Amino acid sequence: AQTVTQSQPEMSVQEAETVTLSCTYDTSESNYYLFWYKQPPSRQMILVIRQEAYKQQNATENRFSVNFQKAAKSFSLKISDSQLGDTAMYFCAFTGANSKLTFGKGITLSVRP
Amino acid sequence: GAGVSQSPSNKVTEKGKDVELRCDPISGHTALYWYRQSLGQGLEFLIYFQGNSAPDKSGLPSDRFSAERTGGSVSTLTIQRTQQEDSAVYLCASSSGGWRDGANVLTFGAGSRLTVL
Repeated sequence: AQTVTQSQPEMSVQEAETVTLSCTYDTSESNYYLFWYKQPPSRQMILVIRQEAYKQQNATENRFSVNFQKAAKSFSLKISDSQLGDTAMYFCAFTGANSKLTFGKGITLSVRP
Repeated sequence: GAGVSQSPSNKVTEKGKDVELRCDPISGHTALYWYRQSLGQGLEFLIYFQGNSAPDKSGLPSDRFSAERTGGSVSTLTIQRTQQEDSAVYLCASSSGGWRDGANVLTFGAGSRLTVL
């Protein structure tokens, strides 16, 4: 069974600074996808970024980028130039051959003005 | 529709009553998921429908929980004889396909918040 671990329950960052959110996972599969989802107070889950395990290159979406270390089973999210609108709960997630998305417990990120 | 629609957005019920939660996925999406999110917690998988295949019910916590998907579109999650521990936000999501074709990005609804008194 796959597991996703987010060990930091919450983080705080100053506006315009950079923050990194950690995630580790465990799986015996060789091909899979990893995701970061954002859940603002409105409750709507929004996809931030997706990484395919067989791709060496780290995914990037504007201010969001990942550091994918397949051997270490690590998948961290870097947010550059943090904005107040980035305040939300962030979930790391994994999907493999069974197509079920397994989520970590999430981390609450607060961006301070 | 343009997004995943869930109803009701909030439901308060008494212990022992049955509740039905509805999910209307994005038109054409073949995969539909139900997740449960307890206060301040991550998302717990409940059930997964993919096209005409038998659903994956492995996450349903007890036989009080059931779900169906009619005509490959709208889905209803039913909780019978509700208990206080069933209080949570129930999230529905849909996607256009499975992971094999890379179409595994889930679009979530805003959720149904269930409170059992």
